[in-house]
Amino acid sequence: SYEVTQPPSVSVSPGQTASITCSGDKLEDKYICWYQQKPGQSPVLVIYEDRKRPSGVPERFSGSNSGNTAILTISGTQAMDEADYYCQAWDSSTASGVFGGGTKLTVL
Amino acid sequence: EVQLVQSGAEVKKPGESLKISCQGSGYTFTNYWIGWVRQMPGKGLEWMGIIYPGDSDTRYSPSFQGQVTISADKSISTAYLQWSSLKASDTAIYYCARHDYGPLDFWGQGTLVTVSS
Repeated sequence: SYEVTQPPSVSVSPGQTASITCSGDKLEDKYICWYQQKPGQSPVLVIYEDRKRPSGVPERFSGSNSGNTAILTISGTQAMDEADYYCQAWDSSTASGVFGGGTKLTVL
Repeated sequence: EVQLVQSGAEVKKPGESLKISCQGSGYTFTNYWIGWVRQMPGKGLEWMGIIYPGDSDTRYSPSFQGQVTISADKSISTAYLQWSSLKASDTAIYYCARHDYGPLDFWGQGTLVTVSS
C-alpha cells in the first residue's frame, strides 16, 4: 500500500520560516492535505489540495507539491504554531487516504 | 455551523463488542463522506476508512479491512464504527471527520476507547 514519510521533528526560531516535508513515490500525482494537532485537541486542516488554505487559517501557512515531495511552509513562525503536523495523501482512483507519521514542530 | 459530535469514552474488556457513533449537523449529511481516524496513545494518525451516507458506499484502509465495520444511518445523520471482538491493541482515540473527498475538513472531538482486562 502507498506510504508517505515525514521527518519526526523540526525546530525553528520564532519569526523564522519552518519547512516540513512529506515524501512519497510520485506524490505530485496525488492531492496532499496538512493537519495541525496540538496536545489534547482534535486535528485541524490547514492546507488542502496541495496549496489551498481553509477559511480562518493564517496566510503564513502555505503548501507545495512537486515530484516526490510536498512541503508545508510556515512563514514568520509563532509560538502558537508549535504542534504536530501530519500530511495526508489522497488517491482519488481508489478513494483512499494515508497519513504520514507526523512531524513535531518546536518553536524555540 | 458544521459539527460532528462523537459518543463518550468507553472502557471494555478484550473480546467484547463495541459500536461508537458520530452525529453530524449543520450541513447535508448525505452529501459528504465521513472518515474514521485512529490515534493510538502517543502515536500518529491512521486513516481507517470512509463511508458515504447517501448510499452507504464504504472504503477501508487495507490495515483495517476485516478488523472494523463502518456504517451509517442517514435518517439520524449518524455514522458508526464497530468492533465484534475488541483487543487490547484497539486502545486508542478514534476521530470521525467530514471527508470532502480528499480533505478531512471538520473533525469530531474524539472517542477514547480503552480495552483492558
